Amino acid sequence: AQSVTQLGSHVSVSEGALVLLRCNYSSSVPPYLFWYVQYPNQGLQLLLKYTSAATLVKGINGFEAEFKKSETSFHLTKPSAHMSDAAEYFCAVRNTGNQFYFGTGTSLTVIP
Amino acid sequence: KAGVTQTPRYLIKTRGQQVTLSCSPISGHRSVSWYQQTPGQGLQFLFEYFSETQRNKGNFPGRFSGRQFSNSRSEMNVSTLELGDSALYLCASSLAPSGAQETQYFGPGTRLLVL
Repeated sequence: AQSVTQLGSHVSVSEGALVLLRCNYSSSVPPYLFWYVQYPNQGLQLLLKYTSAATLVKGINGFEAEFKKSETSFHLTKPSAHMSDAAEYFCAVRNTGNQFYFGTGTSLTVIP
Repeated sequence: KAGVTQTPRYLIKTRGQQVTLSCSPISGHRSVSWYQQTPGQGLQFLFEYFSETQRNKGNFPGRFSGRQFSNSRSEMNVSTLELGDSALYLCASSLAPSGAQETQYFGPGTRLLVL
């Protein structure tokens, strides 16, 4: 069975600092992994997805994530945080049965 | 191209009532999935429809049901509402359900408050 674990329900960074949001997955087969962002009172927006083409995936708004099979991780990073990055971030895995399994989310606060 | 639209955006009901939520997918998308988002449980999958057929169902009671029309629009219904049904209900559409590489695009959600 697939599951996703996001370490740290709340992360705070200073503006301009590195953003690192952690995601680990458990899957019996190579997964398809996604990162979504949710701004207040809005739905989820796709940031990036991993579909086995390349281990380093670049997304929108300067975010990227690296798939590390040996660590079963898919951490999200951004070199320099902006105030507009403050939001809730969700890691998700989609199995071959096409069901999404979401992590519990990480709330990112950017301190000016 | 217009995104996924959900109506209504906000809804207040009382216990015991029923509610119907609507979702219009992106034009050309034939798969629609529904999710419930609550602070305690996070995002939980409700069900997925493709070509008017339910393909997957999450672990929710029978009070939660849905359907899809020939134009791919979908509705979900919750009967005999309980306080715990208060949540943000998100709809997502994709071109097709087959193939795990399909990306889902989410609507803004319907926020349901049950009093």
